[in-house]
Amino acid sequence: GENVEQHPSTLSVQEGDSAVIKCTYSDSASNYFPWYKQELGKRPQLIIDIRSNVGEKKDQRIAVTLNKTAKHFSLHITETQPEDSAVYFCAASRGNTGFQKLVFGTGTRLLVSP
Amino acid sequence: DAGVIQSPRHEVTEMGQEVTLRCKPISGHDYLFWYRQTMMRGLELLIYFNNNVPIDDSGMPEDRFSAKMPNASFSTLKIQPSEPRDSAVYFCASSPRGGRTEAFFGQGTRLTVV
Repeated sequence: GENVEQHPSTLSVQEGDSAVIKCTYSDSASNYFPWYKQELGKRPQLIIDIRSNVGEKKDQRIAVTLNKTAKHFSLHITETQPEDSAVYFCAASRGNTGFQKLVFGTGTRLLVSP
Repeated sequence: DAGVIQSPRHEVTEMGQEVTLRCKPISGHDYLFWYRQTMMRGLELLIYFNNNVPIDDSGMPEDRFSAKMPNASFSTLKIQPSEPRDSAVYFCASSPRGGRTEAFFGQGTRLTVV
């Protein structure tokens, strides 16, 4: 089955710096890669996702890149702000051939210091 | 729509007692998932339903865990008997298209077994 590894487990940056979180997956058939943000005591919420027919996707300060050959994808946050502090989870699934469950990474705790 | 609704938000119970967690998915979503979140293991998929039918329960840790979905608007996760190692946050999520699009999470139930 799919296995998703996520690094780093914790990341501390200064406000205004960029943050990068990396994930690797094992199943070459995976084609849907969402990122979820979970603030302390709250539910995980989708912030951005990418499908395997696209190499990069941006949404304001957030971008995700995908390298299918290497089977890794990354989340990039630019101009970080204290409100970006949260735990971020990557996930992977084979979405286009019936349902396949989302397999989550272990999470990255991002701390943005003012 | 109010989103995915879980109850109770917090549950404290004694070891050996039966615990029932409840979930109301978003109306019109065909898929419902139960996840368990712990510091050690992150987000684990326990079981998921499609159109009220359990599809994959391979993540259910033991026979002490059971889940039902009697209709499209209600699901339960039951632990009987409960043990201290079951202490975790349990999330219910629903999705209109399985692993091909966003999973909407409920607020979670924080279970503490003493």
